[in-house]
Amino acid sequence: AQSVTQLDSHVSVSEGTPVLLRCNYSSSYSPSLFWYVQHPNKGLQLLLKYTSAATLVKGINGFEAEFKKSETSFHLTKPSAHMSDAAEYFCVVRSNAGNMLTFGGGTRLMVKP
Amino acid sequence: EAGVTQFPSHSVIEKGQTVTLRCDPISGHDNLYWYRRVMGKEIKFLLHFVKESKQDESGMPNNRFLAERTGGTYSTLKVQPAELEDSGVYFCASSQVNSNYGYTFGSGTRLTVV
Repeated sequence: AQSVTQLDSHVSVSEGTPVLLRCNYSSSYSPSLFWYVQHPNKGLQLLLKYTSAATLVKGINGFEAEFKKSETSFHLTKPSAHMSDAAEYFCVVRSNAGNMLTFGGGTRLMVKP
Repeated sequence: EAGVTQFPSHSVIEKGQTVTLRCDPISGHDNLYWYRRVMGKEIKFLLHFVKESKQDESGMPNNRFLAERTGGTYSTLKVQPAELEDSGVYFCASSQVNSNYGYTFGSGTRLTVV
């Protein structure tokens, strides 16, 4: 069984300040982990993925995430927020035993000018 | 390359009616998935096709939902008869044989049952 917990349903930051979106997972197998973003009226876009290679993963638009097995975490960070980052972000786990994705509840990121 | 295409983008139907959602995956992607997000809830897995075969349909909520993928190309998801609790956003995704390359999602179909 696998599950994902996004610890904050809403995060608000000022433009130019760092972003931290928290994600904890549980999985019976070595997981693959993803972060997806959904902008209003758009589809889910892949930001980055971890598939058992380097634990620090760099994604698009300056985002990165670090896989920490000891903490079962996969937090998403960005050094400096832009207004265009305002969206909903999903942490997702896929067990290597199958293809099914398990989504976290989502974190809505608001960026203030 | 073209992405995953879903239509309609929005559908409003009355309780008891039938609705069919369509998904066109990326050409060459054998894996096709349906997910849905009911209002206020998490995005949940519905089912997974490998080519035209249903690999896993453990997430289908009940027998009012019927998914098909004739010929292993596009897929349809039919809801008959629709109930109020079926309202939500239905996402389709596709991936290559090795899904470590990631899943490409469509923009979703927002279904509202009134």
